[in-house]
Amino acid sequence: GENVEQHPSTLSVQEGDSAVIKCTYSDSASNYFPWYKQELGKRPQLIIDIRSNVGEKKDQRIAVTLNKTAKHFSLHITETQPEDSAVYFCAALSQAGTALIFGKGTTLSVSS
Amino acid sequence: GAVVSQHPSWVICKSGTSVKIECRSLDFQATTMFWYRQFPKQSLMLMATSNEGSKATYEQGVEKDKFLINHASLTLSTLTVTSAHPEDSSFYICSARDSGRTLSYEQYFGPGTRLTVT
Repeated sequence: GENVEQHPSTLSVQEGDSAVIKCTYSDSASNYFPWYKQELGKRPQLIIDIRSNVGEKKDQRIAVTLNKTAKHFSLHITETQPEDSAVYFCAALSQAGTALIFGKGTTLSVSS
Repeated sequence: GAVVSQHPSWVICKSGTSVKIECRSLDFQATTMFWYRQFPKQSLMLMATSNEGSKATYEQGVEKDKFLINHASLTLSTLTVTSAHPEDSSFYICSARDSGRTLSYEQYFGPGTRLTVT
């Protein structure tokens, strides 16, 4: 089945810096790649997603890039703020095309 | 729109008892719902895919006789943890896809249920 690797596991940046989180997936048939932000004890919150027919998508300070050939996708957060501190998960749609398979998560800490 | 609720939000039960968790799509229909388990400081691990009107599909390593899933309507799926043990203590999260949006892959997550088995 699908396997998603995520790096780094922790990331500390200064306020205003950029943060980049990278993920790789195993199933070349996967075609949907969302990113979630999760705060402690709460549900995952979709922050951006990308489909396999698109190479890049941007929403204000957040962008996602996808390299289908290399089977990896990345989350880019610019001008980070303390409220961006949370755990971020990447995911890929499973081989069956239904369930999401998650990466292990990245704890982002933004210090002011 | 696209709201998923879970009940209860937290539950404490004694070892050996059973606990039922409900997942409801409030403003859309969902032929497919998903159950995830999340241990502290870990990722969401898919347990099973719940299909309305048919048997759930369980991931490898998940005991179907222990984690009973019922998806009897287009807006409700239930997960029953039978004969719970302390190692079943976890955060259980459901998600659902809107059956009316066939071109969308987006999943909507419930707020989660914190289960503690004593």
